[in-house]
Amino acid sequence: GENVEQHPSTLSVQEGDSAVIKCTYSDSASNYFPWYKQELGKRPQLIIDIRSNVGEKKDQRIAVTLNKTAKHFSLHITETQPEDSAVYFCAASSLYNFNKFYFGSGTKLNVKP
Amino acid sequence: EAGVVQSPRYKIIEKKQPVAFWCNPISGHNTLYWYRQNLGQGPELLIRYENEEAVDDSQLPKDRFSAERLKGVDSTLKIQPAELGDSAVYLCASSLGYQETQYFGPGTRLLVL
Repeated sequence: GENVEQHPSTLSVQEGDSAVIKCTYSDSASNYFPWYKQELGKRPQLIIDIRSNVGEKKDQRIAVTLNKTAKHFSLHITETQPEDSAVYFCAASSLYNFNKFYFGSGTKLNVKP
Repeated sequence: EAGVVQSPRYKIIEKKQPVAFWCNPISGHNTLYWYRQNLGQGPELLIRYENEEAVDDSQLPKDRFSAERLKGVDSTLKIQPAELGDSAVYLCASSLGYQETQYFGPGTRLLVL
């Protein structure tokens, strides 16, 4: 089955700096990679996703890159703000293995003002 | 548009007691997911429904967990009997289809004493 590993587990940056969170996956059939943000005590919310037919996707200060050969994908947040502080989860899923929707273990991002 | 609704929000029970969680997905969403999230970890998928059909429940501990989605709308997840290790947040999510944006409910926080 799929194994999604996420690093780092905690990340502390100064406001205005960039933050990068990386995930690796094991199932070469995985083709959909969403990223979720979960603030303390709240529900996870999708912030960006990428499918295997593209290598990069951007949405304002957030971008995701995908390297299918190396089986890793990354979340990039530029010009970080204190409200970016939260736990971020990556996930991977495949069309060819039903129910194979796996989340990483999460990265706690702290943006210091 | 109303989001995913879950009830109860909190539940405290003694071990060996039964417990049930209810989820009402966003109207028109065919896909429904049940996740378990332990503290400090990512959500773990338990079961996914496409309409009323459980596509794959291979990660559902069937000796004590059961789920149903009658008429392809609301869903119920049951644990009987509950064990101490079942203490977690149980999240329901829905999406228009598989690999579409998942919208999460607020979760049910279960504490088994």
